[in-house]
This record gives sequence, structure tokens and C-alpha cells, in this order.
Amino acid sequence: DGGITQSPKYLFRKEGQNVTLSCEQNLNHDAMYWYRQDPGQGLRLIYYSQIVNDFQKGDIAEGYSVSREKKESFPLTVTSAQKNPTAFYLCASSLDRRESNQPQHFGDGTRLSIL
Amino acid sequence: GENVEQHPSTLSVQEGDSAVIKCTYSDSASNYFPWYKQELGKRPQLIIDIRSNVGEKKDQRIAVTLNKTAKHFSLHITETQPEDSAVYFCAATHQLSYQLIWGAGTKLIIKP
Repeated sequence: DGGITQSPKYLFRKEGQNVTLSCEQNLNHDAMYWYRQDPGQGLRLIYYSQIVNDFQKGDIAEGYSVSREKKESFPLTVTSAQKNPTAFYLCASSLDRRESNQPQHFGDGTRLSIL
Repeated sequence: GENVEQHPSTLSVQEGDSAVIKCTYSDSASNYFPWYKQELGKRPQLIIDIRSNVGEKKDQRIAVTLNKTAKHFSLHITETQPEDSAVYFCAATHQLSYQLIWGAGTKLIIKP
């Protein structure tokens, strides 16, 4: 889906360092999501946001933080408290679910590794 | 808690044959069921979805069936081709939730 841009494609984190993953969408979607995917595994929800200035924890929020200051942007910070950050991070977005459930569309992902 | 079970974890079929992947959900309030295809190293892409007011939906070689009574739904791929090789994920949610509950995925291998 060309409307969701994640950057960078690859990211390396040093011990004790916070890193921020970018996610921008131009689809005018209301909801945005962050998932973590470990090799050979499924998707686990980290955080999601329904509207600007509001977000909710998913199943594995510990060690992560987010912000939603603009409708089109939902950056994810992987903090030093996340001891095992190596994974494939996927950002997704969808239209407002009040108009019935809408499919989530994904960005191309960011691959994070520890140096 | 809410759960989606997906089977099999790996499915190997001969090119040209059909493939069927099954998912069972626990939350009877679930009313939306998307299927995603993920090629190696790529993003998941929506291939088909179904809502609870419909029992079956088709899109060319792909179809999804839903049995609300038994709380399961299935993906059917006919005349499989090498490009169908990927991991397929099912998911479920209901109208009061933003969260998709994901299956663990099925690796589909198409043998030439």
C-alpha cells in the first residue's frame, strides 16, 4: 500500500539507546497501529491509536512508547527498557471502525537489530 | 481471552491443486474476518475479507467461507500457482473493538 511509509527500512540500536521508527500515511485513515513480528511468528500488537492525541496499549507495550500529534503520523520509540528489540516492525492504518470494521493496510516495515 | 486458532501451520500442495486453511475463533461477537498474505520479508497484504452477514465470498481463485454456528472460517485457493507460496494469516474482530485477533499463520508451499 503506497499510502503508508515506514522509515528507515533497516535500523540498528546500540545498548542503552532509544530509537524511533517513523510511520506516515496519506490515506486519511483515522486509526493507526504498530505490530511486532519475530522470525517465523505472527503479528503482535504493540500500540494503537483511534484518533489524534489518543492511543492505547496493545498486548506487548512494555518497553515501547508512541505519540499521535498528527493524524498522518504515528511514530514508535523503542526504549532501552525493551531488552529484546530485534524484530520486524509493521505499521498499519484503517478507516474509522464506527463505519463498520475496515481492513488494516500495512507499510513495508522496519527491521530493527541490536549492534 | 479472545483467541483465533489457525491450521495447519504448514501446507504443501502440488501446483494446480487446491489449498484450504482453517481458522476457529472464540469470541461469538466477532463479525469481521480478513485474510492476509505475507511473502518473505514483505508486508502482509489483504487478499479477501468477509463479514458475518455473508456465508461465502469469492474473488477469482480465492474464496472464504464462514460458519458462524461453529465459529470457524476457511480460505480456499483453487488452481494454485507458484506465486501463491507465502504465509497466510487469518484474523477476527468485532465492531466494538479496534483490535484484530490474529491466527499464528500458515506457510503455504506450492510444489512444481
